[in-house]
Amino acid sequence: TQLLEQSPQFLSIQEGENLTVYCNSSSVFSSLQWYRQEPGEGPVLLVTVVTGGEVKKLKRLTFQFGDARKDSSLHITAAQPGDTGLYLCAGNDHFGNEKLTFGTGTRLTIIP
Amino acid sequence: DAGVTQSPTHLIKTRGQHVTLRCSPISGHKSVSWYQQVLGQGPQFIFQYYEKEERGRGNFPDRFSARQFPNYSSELNVNALLLGDSALYLCASSPPAGNYGYTFGSGTRLTVV
Repeated sequence: TQLLEQSPQFLSIQEGENLTVYCNSSSVFSSLQWYRQEPGEGPVLLVTVVTGGEVKKLKRLTFQFGDARKDSSLHITAAQPGDTGLYLCAGNDHFGNEKLTFGTGTRLTIIP
Repeated sequence: DAGVTQSPTHLIKTRGQHVTLRCSPISGHKSVSWYQQVLGQGPQFIFQYYEKEERGRGNFPDRFSARQFPNYSSELNVNALLLGDSALYLCASSPPAGNYGYTFGSGTRLTVV
């Protein structure tokens, strides 16, 4: 059974600060996705990474896929209150298999 | 364009009853997946259907079943409800040759009392 562990579980920081969320596994994933989920809503896709070492940027968010495709990180620069939410990483174990294994989630709160 | 739509949005059932949840994927998406999200946890994979055929099944008991219709909409059925089935049930659709991201509906909040 593949597991994805996220850290930290909870993070509360002041507006304007930087932060990094980690997603780790002992298994290799063919692709890894990051989602943000608001209360009462479904997860919304932020990014998909497929190549080991790949880095993608989405405005103030930077996503990195580990060289061995077992881990990923999400870095937010100058956090804003609108970044508040539950961040989930999710992986596919091989192409053609659409089952996603989700991480445990990081609940982020940005304090104005 | 309409996103993934799920109905109902909220549901309260009694232990032992059965429930049917519905999902309409994004137009043109032929794949539908179902996930269960218990409060405080990440979603857990239940089923995936593509072109009306089951392509994958998660570690859930036989009380859970699903099907996909010719218009690619889908139903998730749960029989003999238990208190532990209380969760947010999410439906996701994806275009052919997935692995590049899924669009989730807002979910159905099921409470079993």
